[in-house]
Amino acid sequence: AQSVTQLGSHVSVSEGALVLLRCNYSSSVPPYLFWYVQYPNQGLQLLLKYTSAATLVKGINDFEAEFKKSETSFHLTKPSAHMSDAAEYFCAVSESGGSNYKLTFGKGTLLTVNP
Amino acid sequence: GEEVAQTPKHLVRGEGQKAKLYCAPIKGHSYVFWYQQVLKNEFKFLISFQNENVFDETGMPKERFSAKCLPNSPCSLEIQATKLEDSAVYFCASSQSGYIQYFGAGTRLSVL
Repeated sequence: AQSVTQLGSHVSVSEGALVLLRCNYSSSVPPYLFWYVQYPNQGLQLLLKYTSAATLVKGINDFEAEFKKSETSFHLTKPSAHMSDAAEYFCAVSESGGSNYKLTFGKGTLLTVNP
Repeated sequence: GEEVAQTPKHLVRGEGQKAKLYCAPIKGHSYVFWYQQVLKNEFKFLISFQNENVFDETGMPKERFSAKCLPNSPCSLEIQATKLEDSAVYFCASSQSGYIQYFGAGTRLSVL
């Protein structure tokens, strides 16, 4: 069984400040990990993915995440927040190497960016 | 197409009526997934297909819900006799490999 915990349902930062969104996972097999972003009334857009290659993963719009097996974490960061980053962010896990591709999502973190 | 197309965007049904949602996956993707998003943030996996075959249906409610992916047609998710608790946004995703899933914009189902 797998699960995802996103610490902090709401994170508020100033424009230009560092963005840090936390994600911890639980998985009985090596995981694949994903961050998705959801803008209001839209679908999920894939930001980045970890699929057992490099542990530091770069995504779109200068976001990156680091897979830390010892901490079972996959935190999302961005050096400098833009107003356009305001959205809901979801961390998700699936099982690697298996026959099960379904995603298990965290409950999301709402990011607000203040001018 | 280059994106997952879901129709309709919004569907309103009275309790007890049938609802049918459609999903056209990205061309060349052989996997299709359905998820239900309730209370804005809770995603629940429903069912997945590999081509027209059910791949994983462990999330599908045993009653009232059914889904199909037929050749040369959009995939569909049908809810018979809708209930208030079925109100949610239903997302479809498609994938070439199974692992990396690309989502549509969703169908918002409102059951009154």
